[in-house]
Amino acid sequence: GAVVSQHPSRVICKSGTSVKIECRSLDFQATTMFWYRQFPKQSLMLMATSNEGSKATYEQGVEKDKFLINHASLTLSTLTVTSAHPEDSSFYICSARDSRTGKVPEQFFGPGTRLTVL
Amino acid sequence: GIQVEQSPPDLILQEGANSTLRCNFSDSVNNLQWFHQNPWGQLINLFYIPSGTKQNGRLSATTVATERYSLLYISSSQTTDSGVYFCAVLRYSSASKIIFGSGTRLSIRP
Repeated sequence: GAVVSQHPSRVICKSGTSVKIECRSLDFQATTMFWYRQFPKQSLMLMATSNEGSKATYEQGVEKDKFLINHASLTLSTLTVTSAHPEDSSFYICSARDSRTGKVPEQFFGPGTRLTVL
Repeated sequence: GIQVEQSPPDLILQEGANSTLRCNFSDSVNNLQWFHQNPWGQLINLFYIPSGTKQNGRLSATTVATERYSLLYISSSQTTDSGVYFCAVLRYSSASKIIFGSGTRLSIRP
């Protein structure tokens, strides 16, 4: 299957700093990328959807100024958590699929980034 | 919106046992996927199965789209099968985002 990488896998930062997480599709064109947040023992919560070259669409309740998403190429999306606070600590997972007509819309997931804000 | 329910929520089995996990969805879907989230958090694609039956080693899945459910079968369980199994569905719309079920947490005891 297709491979999605995510970096870093783990990050610890001080409150008030910004953290950038990268998500790359290694062997396919990710026309659509997704960012999820997962709390312990819960399902994945979609934060936002982005199509290459377009602005991200955020889910209700997700602050777009807090979680900046950029999807500038067909293989790279970034999530920047700005002015992070302890309540932003979580497991963040990116996902990607090729949404072009004729392509199987199977979605693939990165390994996740565990963010801890002190 | 579409609702996705998984059962059972938790399952504890001895190594070697077989199990069936169920996913019910409330509306017609265009895509259904099964994932295994391992203890490190990685979601592993098991099946892309909007309809029909597929098999991959000890795992197989069946989706009956007309009756709005899918089943994941695990035979001869191994401890490495432990983790959370999610099903997720996609319904084509302007949003086109997959909806996850709440998962089944499977623990295989040696």
